[in-house]
Amino acid sequence: AQSVTQPDIHITVSEGASLELRCNYSYGATPYLFWYVQSPGQGLQLLLKYFSGDTLVQGIKGFEAEFKRSQSSFNLRKPSVHWSDAAEYFCAVVGGADGLTFGKGTHLIIQP
Amino acid sequence: IAGITQAPTSQILAAGRRMTLRCTQDMRHNAMYWYRQDLGLGLRLIHYSNTAGTTGKGEVPDGYSVSRANTDDFPLTLASAVPSQTSVYFCASTPLLAGIYNEQFFGPGTRLTVL
Repeated sequence: AQSVTQPDIHITVSEGASLELRCNYSYGATPYLFWYVQSPGQGLQLLLKYFSGDTLVQGIKGFEAEFKRSQSSFNLRKPSVHWSDAAEYFCAVVGGADGLTFGKGTHLIIQP
Repeated sequence: IAGITQAPTSQILAAGRRMTLRCTQDMRHNAMYWYRQDLGLGLRLIHYSNTAGTTGKGEVPDGYSVSRANTDDFPLTLASAVPSQTSVYFCASTPLLAGIYNEQFFGPGTRLTVL
């Protein structure tokens, strides 16, 4: 069965600093990978997705992620964070027709 | 365009009571899902439906049932609620066509507290 690991439960970053959130997956075939963001009290919004092709994918709000098959990773990056980026971030993988498998999430705190 | 709507927004429920969480989408997506979100556990799949008339069990199906009478609606029922079912419930949908996957779209969630 597929699985997703987000090693960092909490990350604190200063406003304007760069950000990298880690995601490792386990899946036998080529995965479909996603990053979602959840602001407090809100639903989930898709940031970006990887299905195939270029391993560096661009998303909304200035985010990007790089798929590295050799490392089974799909890390999320942003060159300069804004206070509005404070949220919960979830990495997810599709393992077939039965829905998404999510990581446990990384809580991002932005320091002024 | 409403996307996915869920009702109620929140609910406090006595243990042992029956409760149905409603989910409706207007995107004509054939696949729909129910997840629960718990602190420190992320989102876990409860049940899914790949097309009207079919349903399947996810990772945590016990204590929950679903039906899919038509494309738009996918209600989740707790037959006899227990405190461990206190959670935030999200409904999602995707246009799963010919096995080609796309992103899932999420509703705003229902916060359920079972006392």
